[in-house]
Amino acid sequence: AQSVTQLDSQVPVFEEAPVELRCNYSSSVSVYLFWYVQYPNQGLQLLLKYLSGSTLVKGINGFEAEFNKSQTSFHLRKPSVHISDTAEYFCAVSDGGTSYGKLTFGQGTILTVHP
Amino acid sequence: GAVVSQHPSRVICKSGTSVKIECRSLDFQATTMFWYRQFPKQSLMLMATSNEGSKATYEQGVEKDKFLINHASLTLSTLTVTSAHPEDSSFYICSARGEPSYEQYFGPGTRLTVT
Repeated sequence: AQSVTQLDSQVPVFEEAPVELRCNYSSSVSVYLFWYVQYPNQGLQLLLKYLSGSTLVKGINGFEAEFNKSQTSFHLRKPSVHISDTAEYFCAVSDGGTSYGKLTFGQGTILTVHP
Repeated sequence: GAVVSQHPSRVICKSGTSVKIECRSLDFQATTMFWYRQFPKQSLMLMATSNEGSKATYEQGVEKDKFLINHASLTLSTLTVTSAHPEDSSFYICSARGEPSYEQYFGPGTRLTVT
């Protein structure tokens, strides 16, 4: 069985400050990891994904994440946030069968960027 | 990129009635579609996985007779909430996956309110 824990339910930050949203996972098989963003009353948009290869993954909107197998983490970072980054962010892991199998989501982290 | 639509975006129905939600992949053929529900301030919970032309696979605890899923074509899946009750009020999100990338693309969601 796989599970995902997002360590912070809410992260407030000031505009242009750096931010890190933390994600830890557990799985008994090889994992594929994802970060999604959800704006109010909308579906999910893929920010970035780790399937294999380089452990540093770059995504859209200036976000990046690093896969750390020894610490079973996949933290999301952005060096300078904007007001428009205010949203809820979900970390997800897929089962080991295929790259895009069933997704298990974390609880979500609400990022609020203050002016 | 691949686009997934959902209809309706919002629906209000009376307790005891049935509601049908459509999920369409607009520019690709979706071999697999997933249905999720999201309660306020909570994460997405997978309800069922449907493959075109076959019966849906429901997650543990999801009533298959209450949440009827049909995936009759490679571009359309429907979720019917039968005899809806207020506790079924939720945000329902579908995702679609197709060849060759197998990435999951999410719809914008449907807000169901049962009065």
